[in-house]
Amino acid sequence: DTAVSQTPKYLVTQMGNDKSIKCEQNLGHDTMYWYKQDSKKFLKIMFSYNNKELIINETVPNRFSPKSPDKAHLNLHINSLELGDSAVYFCASSQGGQVAKNIQYFGAGTRLSVL
Amino acid sequence: TQLLEQSPQFLSIQEGENLTVYCNSSSVFSSLQWYRQEPGEGPVLLVTVVTGGEVKKLKRLTFQFGDARKDSSLHITAAQPGDTGLYLCAGRGSNYKLTFGKGTLLTVNP
Repeated sequence: DTAVSQTPKYLVTQMGNDKSIKCEQNLGHDTMYWYKQDSKKFLKIMFSYNNKELIINETVPNRFSPKSPDKAHLNLHINSLELGDSAVYFCASSQGGQVAKNIQYFGAGTRLSVL
Repeated sequence: TQLLEQSPQFLSIQEGENLTVYCNSSSVFSSLQWYRQEPGEGPVLLVTVVTGGEVKKLKRLTFQFGDARKDSSLHITAAQPGDTGLYLCAGRGSNYKLTFGKGTLLTVNP
């Protein structure tokens, strides 16, 4: 009964490949996020969708493309993977994006290793 | 760009000791949250503070939001090995985007 689930948990791939990470939440939330956590544990937001609409798009290379087929899913597709893309990617969801007490629920992360 | 400086970055203490983690910024936040992350898992929310000067307690954990809503602290009393983990502060700015500090990795040795 995982609230926010990501697949795969581990992803090892070669430089130049294209890969996708999937995220699903069963909490009925209307806002979903993608974060990147680097090797120094710094967690930084990449994208946020509210009801399938993009509301936050940080300075992220356009090789990264989020896709939200419905408000329970937010997938992340990465083209032409580079060594610097190696990190742990976290999906999160919340009910109501623009609220001071907004609580985000995180998935367990996808550890991406680009060789 | 709103930045949150968290200190210390690493903390290793013995069971039973007290500790304080600090989260500082030059920016004002509408709210500040503390998360705890264990290895192989995502961050889990511990508390949200909204009002300047607010103090919240969660068992042995005490959270305080600065009067000016620019800083926060987390104090743990009589730390236990189960408190081991990465503690992250996160501030919510006027655009409601969550900005995370770089985290404090706490190890409590038995």
